[in-house]
Amino acid sequence: ETGVTQTPRHLVMGMTNKKSLKCEQHLGHNAMYWYKQSAKKPLELMFVYSLEERVENNSVPSRFSPECPNSSHLFLHLHTLQPEDSALYLCASSQDVNSPLHFGNGTRLTVT
Amino acid sequence: AQSVTQLDSQVPVFEEAPVELRCNYSSSVSVYLFWYVQYPNQGLQLLLKYLSGSTLVKGINGFEAEFNKSQTSFHLRKPSVHISDTAEYFCAASPSGGYNKLIFGAGTRLAVHP
Repeated sequence: ETGVTQTPRHLVMGMTNKKSLKCEQHLGHNAMYWYKQSAKKPLELMFVYSLEERVENNSVPSRFSPECPNSSHLFLHLHTLQPEDSALYLCASSQDVNSPLHFGNGTRLTVT
Repeated sequence: AQSVTQLDSQVPVFEEAPVELRCNYSSSVSVYLFWYVQYPNQGLQLLLKYLSGSTLVKGINGFEAEFNKSQTSFHLRKPSVHISDTAEYFCAASPSGGYNKLIFGAGTRLAVHP
């Protein structure tokens, strides 16, 4: 139990599908993050939310749409993805943006 | 611009042997430095961090790292590895501790053989 739970663990979707990734943290943290982990590449920070406000958006394509309804939940809505979007998507949380990250186990996404 | 370079993509080693995973960073400002470990099918777990003070940092599972400002390095070491240490290891840096600015290296795959 990492304190940060991601669902689903695996997801296969076609390029025309719409799906959502879910992240829930049970640590009472105020900041949540989405990272993309592709093979042989450094982790890429996608979005950061602090106190439910988006504070970081690293030039992510609009086919990725985050949502943070409260400090415990974070979603990543996906639509019209491309095969190169296949990766492990990691959610993390921290007490605030100046505190260490706690990662979930990730969602392995495959776009066909 | 800040960057983190892990010099080895893979490091094979025999059980009970010592190991060093290399990390170099570039930054024009003071940085905080971290090592994370990722076991198969899991997320990242913090091994250790350097924020200030002693340049030798001890972490979990018997790992330690030394901050060398003149060489801009933060190499990870363990004197005797176990099979269970087989994992991907990531070096990361952030300026002034802002985790929303955390930059990761590409990772080093440590493979421990019996």
